[in-house]
This record gives sequence, structure tokens and C-alpha cells, in this order.
Amino acid sequence: DIQMTQSPSFLSASVGDRVTINCKASQNINRYLNWYQQKLGEAPKLLIYNANSLQTGIPSRFSGSGSGTDFTLTISSLQPEDVATYFCLQHNSLWTFGGGTKLELK
Amino acid sequence: EVQLVESGGGLVQPGRSLKLSCAASGFTFSNYYMAWVRQAPTKGLEWVASITNSGGSTYYRDSVKGRFTISRDNAKSTLYLQMDSLRSEDTATYYCTRGLRRVPFDYWGQGVMVTVSS
Repeated sequence: DIQMTQSPSFLSASVGDRVTINCKASQNINRYLNWYQQKLGEAPKLLIYNANSLQTGIPSRFSGSGSGTDFTLTISSLQPEDVATYFCLQHNSLWTFGGGTKLELK
Repeated sequence: EVQLVESGGGLVQPGRSLKLSCAASGFTFSNYYMAWVRQAPTKGLEWVASITNSGGSTYYRDSVKGRFTISRDNAKSTLYLQMDSLRSEDTATYYCTRGLRRVPFDYWGQGVMVTVSS
């Protein structure tokens, strides 16, 4: 089974900051990595699919990069509405989520 | 507008059964893979089971194999999850989600709560 290690688990940042969240796969997953945003009490929302493709309707301040085993989600300029928990998902072999990163405002 | 509406959750005793449903609308159901993903209280997301668009292939996480069955009725645009021999560790909000083989889980329902407790 493929394991996904997400870091950090918790992140505090200020409005306007550049924020990066990382996911590391236990083996090569090519570019089959998605990123999700989940706000409190809501269902997850797809942000990025296949490592770097922006889902329709998602602001361009969100971007994804990486391939193989190491991936990054970047928020170029943090906005108050970005407060949420972020999850990565590998879909190279079955499906495995990372443990999540809780993002709060400083 | 894509809509996924789950139902069938509730409180159930350990060892008993429960069947979840997910009614889909706003897209051609038979073109999409479907899946169930769960989230225990204050925990992360955990993939449970998936089914191909035709229903010809199904996939399960190890901890639910032999206890849960995913199925679909394309004529009714409805996804199901039959859960047998439920355990306390199955307590979670269960989400219905759709996708394509290489763009999975692009839309999600609001979730349904399942509590397994005596």
C-alpha cells in the first residue's frame, strides 16, 4: 500500500503570506496527486488534480507542483477565506489521503 | 449543477447492518466512477470503496473487505454502500464522491453520519 506523509500538520500564517504544504509518497506515484480544501463542517473541495492542474473555478493563487514522490501545494497570497484543512490524495494505485494540514490565520 | 445527496445513516449497534444511498443528479451518472470516503470525528479522510462506471469492478480498503459492498443502479443514478458486521471504528461521516479514472473525487456530497455504538 502507498502511504502519504503530509507536512506540516498545522500551519499559522498571515494574510498575504506565501504558504506551502507538502506531501511525500512512499513510492513513485507519477503525477497522480490531488489536493483538497475542507472548511469546517463542509465537504472537501477539489483544488488541484494530477499534481498541477487547477480545477475549474479555483482561484489562481492556488498552484501545485511535483512528480514522483514529492509534491507541493502553494497559496501565493493567503486570504482569510483560505482558512481550512488541506489534504492530498494519491490515485496512482488505489487511493490514499495524506493526514491533513490545518491552516489558520496568525 | 452536480448534486450528490447521501442518506441512510444513523445509530446502529456493533455487529448490525446499515445501507447508505447516494442520489446523483446534474451529470450523466453512468459515465463516472463513484466512491465512498469516510471521516471519523476530528480525523482525516479515508477512502472506503470505489466502483467503475459500469459497475463491473469494485475496490475496497482492507479493513472493510468482506463486510462492505459498494453497488450502483445507473438507471436510478444511485450509489449504495451496504455495511455489514459494523464495528465502532466504522463510526464516521460517509461521503459519496464521483470522478473519472484519472481525475477522481472531483465532486462530493455533504455526507451522512454513521455511529456504531451499543
